[in-house]
Amino acid sequence: AQTVTQSQPEMSVQEAETVTLSCTYDTSENNYYLFWYKQPPSRQMILVIRQEAYKQQNATENRFSVNFQKAAKSFSLKISDSQLGDTAMYFCAFMEQGAQKLVFGQGTRLTINP
Amino acid sequence: DSGVTQTPKHLITATGQRVTLRCSPRSGDLSVYWYQQSLDQGLQFLIQYYNGEERAKGNILERFSAQQFPDLHSELNLSSLELGDSALYFCASSVGAGVRGGYTFGSGTRLTVV
Repeated sequence: AQTVTQSQPEMSVQEAETVTLSCTYDTSENNYYLFWYKQPPSRQMILVIRQEAYKQQNATENRFSVNFQKAAKSFSLKISDSQLGDTAMYFCAFMEQGAQKLVFGQGTRLTINP
Repeated sequence: DSGVTQTPKHLITATGQRVTLRCSPRSGDLSVYWYQQSLDQGLQFLIQYYNGEERAKGNILERFSAQQFPDLHSELNLSSLELGDSALYFCASSVGAGVRGGYTFGSGTRLTVV
């Protein structure tokens, strides 16, 4: 079964700094999708960024980018110029191609300090 | 507003009782997914329906059941409730049966069993 591991339960940085959240996963599949979701205090689950495993280029969405290392099964999220509104739980998630469910990591609680 | 509507937002009930959680997917989405987020287990996939039919099943207890109606809204029924069922229950929806792009979550129903 696929597993997703987020080794940093909590992180804290100052506003405007860059922060990187780690995620590793375990799978025997070659085709799959990876996601980062943000859960602010409002509880809403918000898709931040996604990556298809067959694409070598790392995905980027404004201040958010990923470092996808397929051989190492690593999928880290980098937040540049962090803002107070980035304070949230961040979940890494995996989906096998053709599957229906997301497998989530345990989450990293990120706090951006003024 | 994500377009996925979950009601009620909060629910407090006693052990042994039965409750029904409701989800209306985004307009045009045919698939509905249910997830449970508890403190010690993160987000766990429960079940998926596509256009009225069950498509995938995860770690859903026998005391739990779900259905999707012709108007595509879905209900998750939880019976013989136990303290351990206290959690945040999310519904998500997508256009198709597979979700390469990641799906859209509702804001969740917070269930407290006392």
